[in-house]
Amino acid sequence: ELKVEQNPLFLSMQEGKNYTIYCNYSTTSDRLYWYRQDPGKSLESLFVLLSNGAVKQEGRLMASLDTKARLSTLHITAAVHDLSATYFCAVDDNITGANSKLTFGKGITLSVRP
Amino acid sequence: DTAVSQTPKYLVTQMGNDKSIKCEQNLGHDTMYWYKQDSKKFLKIMFSYNNKELIINETVPNRFSPKSPDKAHLNLHINSLELGDSAVYFCASSPRLAGASDTQYFGPGTRLTVL
Repeated sequence: ELKVEQNPLFLSMQEGKNYTIYCNYSTTSDRLYWYRQDPGKSLESLFVLLSNGAVKQEGRLMASLDTKARLSTLHITAAVHDLSATYFCAVDDNITGANSKLTFGKGITLSVRP
Repeated sequence: DTAVSQTPKYLVTQMGNDKSIKCEQNLGHDTMYWYKQDSKKFLKIMFSYNNKELIINETVPNRFSPKSPDKAHLNLHINSLELGDSAVYFCASSPRLAGASDTQYFGPGTRLTVL
């Protein structure tokens, strides 16, 4: 059974500093997704990483995927308050089939303080 | 324009009742999903449908029955509600094109509270 682990589960960040959060998973997959969830809201797609070495950037966030290490990182540059949210990674473990099946990590809650 | 919509947004009901949650997507996607998010924010897939056909049925009690009248709609009916069913239920859809990113787009969620 695929396991997806995120750490840390909670991170207090200081405005203006850089941070990295991690997502690792237990079986072979080359499809990994990052989502953001604000309190009481839905999940918003941030990044789709589809191959080993994939790197995507959007604003202050940069995500990368190392399928050999079964690890994805989300790097935050110069944290700002607007980035406070819960970030989920999800891995597709049904890539050979006709349909997608995402297994989510437990999420990392980021809180940016002044 | 709402891409994936769910009704109702909030549902408060007594134990033992039967209730339904509706989901509609206007993205033209072929695949739809139901997820349960518990009080610790853990998200787990319950069901997926591809073009009205059940594809994924995780270990979910038989009291939960999905129904897809067409590929734009996926409803969730729950019989004999229990306290442990209290959660936020998210509907999602994805295009499921071969070789594509297959991003899942989530609805706003339905917060179910069983008293």
